[in-house]
Amino acid sequence: RKEVEQDPGPFNVPEGATVAFNCTYSNSASQSFFWYRQDCRKEPKLLMSVYSSGNEDGRFTAQLNRASQYISLLIRDSKLSDSATYLCVVRPPGRRALTFGSGTRLQVQP
Amino acid sequence: EAQVTQNPRYLITVTGKKLTVTCSQNMNHEYMSWYRQDPGLGLRQIYYSMNVEVTDKGDVPEGYKVSRKEKRNFPLILESPSPNQTSLYFCASSPRFDEQFFGPGTRLTVL
Repeated sequence: RKEVEQDPGPFNVPEGATVAFNCTYSNSASQSFFWYRQDCRKEPKLLMSVYSSGNEDGRFTAQLNRASQYISLLIRDSKLSDSATYLCVVRPPGRRALTFGSGTRLQVQP
Repeated sequence: EAQVTQNPRYLITVTGKKLTVTCSQNMNHEYMSWYRQDPGLGLRQIYYSMNVEVTDKGDVPEGYKVSRKEKRNFPLILESPSPNQTSLYFCASSPRFDEQFFGPGTRLTVL
């Protein structure tokens, strides 16, 4: 089983739609969680950290469910510029490294 | 401007010809790492460094070497490249283990 699993998509949604991605992780003791965004052929960039209490940044909301070992990302009012691959990232316990999921591709259409 | 730079950005080489990909950061970060990204496999860490002269293996270190003689630089060395090392490589730096700042990537093709 992969340490971090994501649905690869693509998710094709119209502008203005709300879309949600989930990501599951295998190690229940994992400590830190993030969503990164990667545009085609570009480097990944941090979108937001995911806290136990959940957090929101404008149109983006991230949630952590430790009991079920998944994190989610909700994007409201999708824009064309949101089209990208979203990477779920976890830091397993005792490791000085981040584990990246393979990413979920989002395509927002006019 | 705070940034991580990598060179070259694109490289086509042949099996067995030693190469070095440079990485430099101007943010005074202690932690640096190298990743490779392959379709369907996500980003996988090759090596990382906690500080000058401190390096350790990541998940896929075979066939690679690194050095950290200065805080700002973290070159990736392929002593004898093989076709299975064809990939997109990213260098990253971080003030701690979390929140990595990535370079623009190096697309390597080994024939």
